[in-house]
Amino acid sequence: QKEVEQDPGPLSVPEGAIVSLNCTYSNSAFQYFMWYRQYSRKGPELLMYTYSSGNKEDGRFTAQVDKSSKYISLFIRDSQPSDSATYLCARARTGNQFYFGTGTSLTVIP
Amino acid sequence: ETGVTQTPRHLVMGMTNKKSLKCEQHLGHNAMYWYKQSAKKPLELMFVYNFKEQTENNSVPSRFSPECPNSSHLFLHLHTLQPEDSALYLCASSQARDAGNTIYFGEGSWLTVV
Repeated sequence: QKEVEQDPGPLSVPEGAIVSLNCTYSNSAFQYFMWYRQYSRKGPELLMYTYSSGNKEDGRFTAQVDKSSKYISLFIRDSQPSDSATYLCARARTGNQFYFGTGTSLTVIP
Repeated sequence: ETGVTQTPRHLVMGMTNKKSLKCEQHLGHNAMYWYKQSAKKPLELMFVYNFKEQTENNSVPSRFSPECPNSSHLFLHLHTLQPEDSALYLCASSQARDAGNTIYFGEGSWLTVV
């Protein structure tokens, strides 16, 4: 079983829609979770990080962690064409161990 | 300069060439990484350096040779590569600590082997 599982999509939504991106993870060791946005031919950009269950909000973005079900989500409100990118979820364990999902490709249609 | 800077951004090399990728981080981190990202594939960890010491080599072929002269700089020396090595090579950095890490990536170096 992979450390982090992510639906690759692709996901296509109209502008203004609420987007939900989801990942599951398999190990319950110390958890630190991150979401990255990667535009085509660019490196991943850190969007949000959290280590606790519940919601963390930053502008139009909300990261949600449910440790009981080992589920992490990223919600994008009022989606814009500029949000079109691949979104990667990741979790960090102790030290330098990082585990990444395969990424979900999102297209927001004007 | 802020964040993680990689040069060159694009590189085309023949299979007999020798080239190097360079990475510099301005975040005060003490761990640096090389990742490979191929089309439609997840990130593949290649090498990890903590405080200039290599702590992980993820079964990478010897035609890839990393060098970390200090905690801020990382190189990836390339020689006799194969066409299947064409990919986006990402440098990243983080703090090397027991808990609570985030990892930051550079823009990547697009490598094409012809």
